[in-house]
Amino acid sequence: NAGVTQTPKFRILKIGQSMTLQCTQDMNHNYMYWYRQDPGMGLKLIYYSVGAGITDKGEVPNGYNVSRSTTEDFPLRLELAAPSQTSVYFCASIPSGGTNTGELFFGEGSRLTVL
Amino acid sequence: AQSVTQPDIHITVSEGASLELRCNYSYGATPYLFWYVQSPGQGLQLLLKYFSGDTLVQGIKGFEAEFKRSQSSFNLRKPSVHWSDAAEYFCAVGETSGSRLTFGEGTQLTVNP
Repeated sequence: NAGVTQTPKFRILKIGQSMTLQCTQDMNHNYMYWYRQDPGMGLKLIYYSVGAGITDKGEVPNGYNVSRSTTEDFPLRLELAAPSQTSVYFCASIPSGGTNTGELFFGEGSRLTVL
Repeated sequence: AQSVTQPDIHITVSEGASLELRCNYSYGATPYLFWYVQSPGQGLQLLLKYFSGDTLVQGIKGFEAEFKRSQSSFNLRKPSVHWSDAAEYFCAVGETSGSRLTFGEGTQLTVNP
């Protein structure tokens, strides 16, 4: 199993550009999450999904959109990039039901810079 | 709303010394508590977790944590720190084992030789 895979690992955007951060997991996990990590600020939840076709806002959703058409994929879209979205983005997943041990499985992160 | 406070932004210890990282949480019911570690340029890895039962939990890499309900704390400890333990450590709280986690701001650990 590859686990949680994020692409790209690094990206530089200009203000106003749009892009999609890709996240895919091959563990058949129902729950998936997008966090952003800013220096000294810990991780903040952007969006999450409890299954295909179901998404919900987290703590800091403004400026982002997500979709969950399949169990495996949970892309994060930035429509109009702003400098405030410069951050490291982490995708994570966790199984539901009896196999859930509480452990979040994280991707390696995507570092985004908006200039 | 649930919240987590890690009072120490940065801690420096000597190799071989003992370590305690503090974590205080705010939550109305019995929390699910976690400690994660993040090495530079990497994602987060689970060190240990507390759901119920014995309040002293053992984790990987020789770490342990103690849940103290009266103090709303879940401090992480290690008797003897190794240079490879240098990393950032995050405490997190959740409502259930599968819910959204709220993370603390992290404690950066430096280990001196």
